[in-house]
Amino acid sequence: EAGVTQSPTHLIKTRGQQATLRCSPISGHTSVYWYQQALGLGLQFLLWYDEGEERNRGNFPPRFSGRQFPNYSSELNVNALELEDSALYLCASSFTTGYGYTFGSGTRLTVV
Amino acid sequence: GIQVEQSPPDLILQEGANSTLRCNFSDSVNNLQWFHQNPWGQLINLFYIPSGTKQNGRLSATTVATERYSLLYISSSQTTDSGVYFCAVVSNFGNEKLTFGTGTRLTIIP
Repeated sequence: EAGVTQSPTHLIKTRGQQATLRCSPISGHTSVYWYQQALGLGLQFLLWYDEGEERNRGNFPPRFSGRQFPNYSSELNVNALELEDSALYLCASSFTTGYGYTFGSGTRLTVV
Repeated sequence: GIQVEQSPPDLILQEGANSTLRCNFSDSVNNLQWFHQNPWGQLINLFYIPSGTKQNGRLSATTVATERYSLLYISSSQTTDSGVYFCAVVSNFGNEKLTFGTGTRLTIIP
């Protein structure tokens, strides 16, 4: 069984540009979660999608947005990139609420 | 929201030693997981353990939900065990997001 896959592995963008990160959940998982881990900091919850709907978002500005597609894959968009957006972005999926979460390998975003 | 505290923050051990990592949480939970983050950033799921005891090789975990804590035991440590160990929970009262503790950084010296 394939795990959670994220692309790209690394992404370098210039301040002010937009970044798009992608996540494919484990087959059969309907929920996708996005987390940000800035250097030296913990994992901060960004967004939760389930059945194509945004169910919850963390304390991040609106320039962080995303969507979930009919096949349950998900996209995270970060507009108007700032230097402090440089971080490891991790995606997780779960079968439904109350079950274990499985994480992908992450996308390391660097904003210069 | 729910608070998750891990201790100790840092742990340096000789190869072959045993260790116990602790996770305290401030509210009742319906999900608790232990993860190992390797040097490349990948989060490896070690245990899904909202209650009870589980073992997997040299690792075992116990969650006492009524007392709001969980313990991760690592026996006969190997250098590959180095990394950051995170405890993460989902509160019974809300929004289904996984809330992470601040982690324990484990360094195993050969």
